[in-house]
Amino acid sequence: LAKTTQPISMDSYEGQEVNITCSHNNIATNDYITWYQQFPSQGPRFIIQGYKTKVTNEVASLFIPADRKSSTLSLPRVSLSDTAVYYCLVGGRGGADGLTFGKGTHLIIQP
Amino acid sequence: DSGVTQTPKHLITATGQRVTLRCSPRSGDLSVYWYQQSLDQGLQFLIQYYNGEERAKGNILERFSAQQFPDLHSELNLSSLELGDSALYFCASSRGLQETQYFGPGTRLLVL
Repeated sequence: LAKTTQPISMDSYEGQEVNITCSHNNIATNDYITWYQQFPSQGPRFIIQGYKTKVTNEVASLFIPADRKSSTLSLPRVSLSDTAVYYCLVGGRGGADGLTFGKGTHLIIQP
Repeated sequence: DSGVTQTPKHLITATGQRVTLRCSPRSGDLSVYWYQQSLDQGLQFLIQYYNGEERAKGNILERFSAQQFPDLHSELNLSSLELGDSALYFCASSRGLQETQYFGPGTRLLVL
């Protein structure tokens, strides 16, 4: 599975747009990029998944450049409740095997 | 609410004991995954079942075992428990083998 690198932590303010970038230089042709969100003592929650270009849903956007060696999760107008750990994963669409979680990015939103 | 349920929510036991954690996948999901999350290790994949058959193994200790039953619920058995087994244990399910995984709320195990 491709290894991912993302910031250990970030902080921002309510109402701002937050972008978290993930590097995955060894991404394979068949790999998808998936982001999960995890609150303390809760299971990870699927946010968004993409293969190339841009994907948008009701909570986030995912930008993937042409070389697919990185991706950026964009959270529009964050609120305090967006404070969580965000994981970037690369692999099969959902993971035929288990998902390989890195340390994730601790996002802290301040008032 | 992901639709994945796990019981119990909390479990406190002593070293050397054996416990069973239970997971019910989302309706229609055939694949079940188990993960362990401890403070110093992050989220680690343990094992996966698909339609009753073991599909993949991760960092699962020999003291741990799992199975998926005909009704697709799964159980994770932890035996000869050690202090270091204290962690959150998550179950996830997916429709098939290449689908997005949805996580349950977890079981918090404390071994004293």
